[in-house]
Amino acid sequence: QLVLTQSPSASASLGASVKLTCTLSNGPGSYAIAWHQQQPEKGPRYLMKLNSDGSHNKGDGIPDRFSGSSSGAERYLTISSLQSEDEADYYCQTWVSGVHVVFGGGTKLTVL
Amino acid sequence: QVQLVESGGGVVQPGRSLRLSCAASGFTFRSYGMHWVRQAPGKGLEWVAAISYDGTNKYYADSVKGRFSISSDNSKNTLYLQMNSLRAEDTAVFYCAKAMSSGYAFYAFDIWGPGTMVTVSS
Repeated sequence: QLVLTQSPSASASLGASVKLTCTLSNGPGSYAIAWHQQQPEKGPRYLMKLNSDGSHNKGDGIPDRFSGSSSGAERYLTISSLQSEDEADYYCQTWVSGVHVVFGGGTKLTVL
Repeated sequence: QVQLVESGGGVVQPGRSLRLSCAASGFTFRSYGMHWVRQAPGKGLEWVAAISYDGTNKYYADSVKGRFSISSDNSKNTLYLQMNSLRAEDTAVFYCAKAMSSGYAFYAFDIWGPGTMVTVSS
């Protein structure tokens, strides 16, 4: 069973950078994922699709401050020049074609 | 603009039924796989069900298999989730989501609705 593991929480200061991690387990390291942001009391918002080679396709209107990278079974979301509105839950998502969708447990990002 | 809007949520007693709807606009609905995802209060996202772009293939999480049924009406650009035999543990915000790549039921989700709350309580 494919599992996505995320740290429950992260924090960084206003204007700083933060790197969130999503680790794939029990599946090929070649899986692509998607990153989603969920601000308080809102629905999720697509940030980007991130491939195993680090290439990524960002959603419309997603600032350049958001970027993705990959290393082996790890998928990263880096947010630079942190702003207060970046305080949110961040979820990674992957999919097994014709079977199911898997979400990570989410990382709650606090901007100090 | 591209948009999904869910409706049909509410308070329902255990064992009863409810049907959720998701109205789509701004894209060719019939070309994309669609999904339902839920989020229990204070918890993370849980995938519930998916339907292929042409409606021929349907997929369910084990937690809802046999109780929930996903369908779509391409003439109305609307996705549905029929929920039967509801349980307290089904209490959640239900979101519909669009698969990013046409022709693929399973892919990254690039559009989400704002969600509709379902509360199962006596």
